[in-house]
Amino acid sequence: EDKVVQSPLSLVVHEGDTVTLNCSYEVTNFRSLLWYKQEKKAPTFLFMLTSSGIEKKSGRLSSILDKKELSSILNITATQTGDSAIYLCAVGDGSSNTGKLIFGQGTTLQVKP
Amino acid sequence: GAGVSQSPRYKVAKRGQDVALRCDPISGHVSLFWYQQALGQGPEFLTYFQNEAQLDKSGLPSDRFFAERPEGSVSTLKIQRTQQEDSAVYLCASSDRRGGMAYEQYFGPGTRLTVT
Repeated sequence: EDKVVQSPLSLVVHEGDTVTLNCSYEVTNFRSLLWYKQEKKAPTFLFMLTSSGIEKKSGRLSSILDKKELSSILNITATQTGDSAIYLCAVGDGSSNTGKLIFGQGTTLQVKP
Repeated sequence: GAGVSQSPRYKVAKRGQDVALRCDPISGHVSLFWYQQALGQGPEFLTYFQNEAQLDKSGLPSDRFFAERPEGSVSTLKIQRTQQEDSAVYLCASSDRRGGMAYEQYFGPGTRLTVT
């Protein structure tokens, strides 16, 4: 059965710290890996990584895909209280030709002032 | 233009009632997805539309769940005879790409359904 696993499930840090969130996957027909940030509203798209784009960076956030290890990390440097959210990792599944996403359970990040 | 919108944002239903949840995707988006997110879990796929065609409904948990997108834009997810286990946030997502490709999906704020 296809699955996506995130770790840790929750994390508490202080402003200015650097955090690394992990995502591992077992998906038969891998197409892409996506990271989303979810606050009390719509999950917001952060990055998409594919075979042709295995490292992405945007401001303090960066992500790397390791297709050999079937995993990805999301790094956040110089964390701010506004980074507090649930971070979701999802894998695009090509097996059914719909491109549906298979999500992990999320990592809840709390950044304290 | 505007992002994906969903209504209502919150719905409380008594067990056994029917509910209808609405999704307005981003204008012109071909693909539309419904996901169910239980408390403390990641979203789980329910069904997929490409324009008005429902190409995948493998994630619908029972025949009490029904979705439609008759004109290829707005979609409705209907749940008949609601049960307590149906309590969850129902997320809608859309994309301007057709299924099967690697692409990002844009999510609405969700409808939080509570069945009492």
